[in-house]
Amino acid sequence: GDSVTQMEGPVTLSEEAFLTINCTYTATGYPSLFWYVQYPGEGLQLLLKATKADDKGSNKGFEATYRKETTSFHLEKGSVQVSDSAVYFCALSDRRGSQGNLIFGKGTKLSVKP
Amino acid sequence: EPEVTQTPSHQVTQMGQEVILRCVPISNHLYFYWYRQILGQKVEFLVSFYNNEISEKSEIFDDQFSVERPDGSNFTLKIRSTKLEDSAMYFCASISGQGGLAGTGELFFGEGSRLTVL
Repeated sequence: GDSVTQMEGPVTLSEEAFLTINCTYTATGYPSLFWYVQYPGEGLQLLLKATKADDKGSNKGFEATYRKETTSFHLEKGSVQVSDSAVYFCALSDRRGSQGNLIFGKGTKLSVKP
Repeated sequence: EPEVTQTPSHQVTQMGQEVILRCVPISNHLYFYWYRQILGQKVEFLVSFYNNEISEKSEIFDDQFSVERPDGSNFTLKIRSTKLEDSAMYFCASISGQGGLAGTGELFFGEGSRLTVL
């Protein structure tokens, strides 16, 4: 079945460092891909999404490009801040455009030190 | 800003007891979901609910689980007889779905209810 694999955490970076969190997926058809973020004490929030190959999702300085050839959707940010400390979840939906029934990765905890 | 709220934030129960987790989705949303995350594991889809009935459920959602929207605002998840392996964080989510399509709009999650079964 469909699945998502993301890099194990935790990831600890200094402020202004470059961030990459790897995510690869296995799916039949044409899934939509998402990154969700969970800040301490809060629910999951949609960070960005891409619905077709070569689409780039971006938000709050984060970017991820839907790479069908490598089945990847890696999350990147050029310069992280302390406020980016959170758990990041990669997810896919196997229904075109639908966000309701999602398959998640395990999550990667990011800690950014001043 | 509208939000999904869940209660309780943490519940401890004895094995075999019934538990009800409550959620208040965003008021004009039409599709509702429960997910769970066992500690250290993936967030897993449990069930989706639309038009007062279950639209989809996973293998996890067996006869011990049920969902209900009793009064037009609350959306509840009931576990009839809890087992140790039910210990997890349970997330409620909702999506607007205007026009009858769950694909429209953003999925909004609550903060989660942590269930600990002893």
